[in-house]
Amino acid sequence: EVQLVESGGGLVQPGGSLRLSCAASGFTFSSYWMSWVRQAPGKGLEWVANIKQDGSEKYYVDSVKGRFTISRDNAKNSLYLQMNSLRAEDTAVYYCARDFEDFWSGYYNYWGQGTLVTVSS
Amino acid sequence: DIQMTQSPSSLSASVGDRVTITCRASQGISNSLAWYQQKPGKAPKLLLYAASRLESGVPSRFSGSGSGTDYTLTISSLQPEDFATYYCQQYYSTPVTFGGGTKVEIK
Repeated sequence: EVQLVESGGGLVQPGGSLRLSCAASGFTFSSYWMSWVRQAPGKGLEWVANIKQDGSEKYYVDSVKGRFTISRDNAKNSLYLQMNSLRAEDTAVYYCARDFEDFWSGYYNYWGQGTLVTVSS
Repeated sequence: DIQMTQSPSSLSASVGDRVTITCRASQGISNSLAWYQQKPGKAPKLLLYAASRLESGVPSRFSGSGSGTDYTLTISSLQPEDFATYYCQQYYSTPVTFGGGTKVEIK
């Protein structure tokens, strides 16, 4: 059974940092593009970043470029999101999501349960 | 970036009703469109991809159609478990982008 379990969310002050993790199991993690998607309270879905199977390609939404870094450790079946210079508008539930197929597909058939990041003083 | 506009933003319907949700892209996306269902406090669930292909395990009352910039999700006979928020998503180009969502409520 495919499972994605996020952790690392919490309350952080503006300008602070946080590192999210996503532990993957039930599939060959190293074969799939992985993404982070967020959802602000009461709002819609926003794609944040994705990373290629071997980590050689990474893409970000403009609003997080230069502040967030996506990475992965295929030996540990884990995906990460390092978030620096956090702003109030980064407050959201952050989901990790797996691409549908073992090549870039851009849509997601497996999602984690999400982890809440709250940026507030 | 490609903007995705969903309509309506909410609707009220009864069990058994036929429901249609539309999604318009700001440019052609060549059927690179997915639909998701999300219930409160839960992660989104993939319903359809490639505009009209049903994800495994999804009931056949869900269908999708469209081309170019305009796409439609149809629920042929609304069931109690279908009351949720639905999102379209284009994956034609990066960044992938989502529509604003359509909340389907009980009439």
